[in-house]
Amino acid sequence: NAGVTQTPKFRILKIGQSMTLQCTQDMNHNYMYWYRQDPGMGLKLIYYSVGAGITDKGEVPNGYNVSRSTTEDFPLRLELAAPSQTSVYFCASRPRAGREQYFGPGTRLTVT
Amino acid sequence: KNEVEQSPQNLTAQEGEFITINCSYSVGISALHWLQQHPGGGIVSLFMLSSGKKKHGRLIATINIQEKHSSLHITASHPRDSAVYICAVRGGGATNKLIFGTGTLLAVQP
Repeated sequence: NAGVTQTPKFRILKIGQSMTLQCTQDMNHNYMYWYRQDPGMGLKLIYYSVGAGITDKGEVPNGYNVSRSTTEDFPLRLELAAPSQTSVYFCASRPRAGREQYFGPGTRLTVT
Repeated sequence: KNEVEQSPQNLTAQEGEFITINCSYSVGISALHWLQQHPGGGIVSLFMLSSGKKKHGRLIATINIQEKHSSLHITASHPRDSAVYICAVRGGGATNKLIFGTGTLLAVQP
């Protein structure tokens, strides 16, 4: 199994541009999560999904959108990128309630 | 005040030393996680525990539910243990959302 994969690894965006961060897991996990990690801060939950077709907001959803059309994929969309979205983004998945989360390698995004 | 507090924020140790990282939380939890993040960013789950103590190799994690406190111990530390160690607590509910501490940056010098 590849586990949780994320693309791209790095990206530089100009203010106002849009992009999609890709996340795929091959472990048939129902639960998937998007986090952002800012310097000196704990990871913050952006959006999560408990299964295909079901998504919900986390702590910091503004400026982002997600979709979950399949069990495997959970893309994160940034519309109208802003400097405040400069961060490292992690995708994670979990097999069922009560189990540990598996993290992807992260995407480092800079918005200038 | 953060719901999950870790101490110390930074820790430098000499190879071979016994290391303790602490985590205190202020919310009711169903489980606590310890995670490791190496330079370059990847995050790996070390432990998930809801009571007592767990051991894996040179790593030991303990939790005291009544005192809302957990510790991560590293015995016979090695430079390859240098990383950020993150405590996260899981509340109740089906979504199992985690609340993360800000991490402890550990540097083990040879």
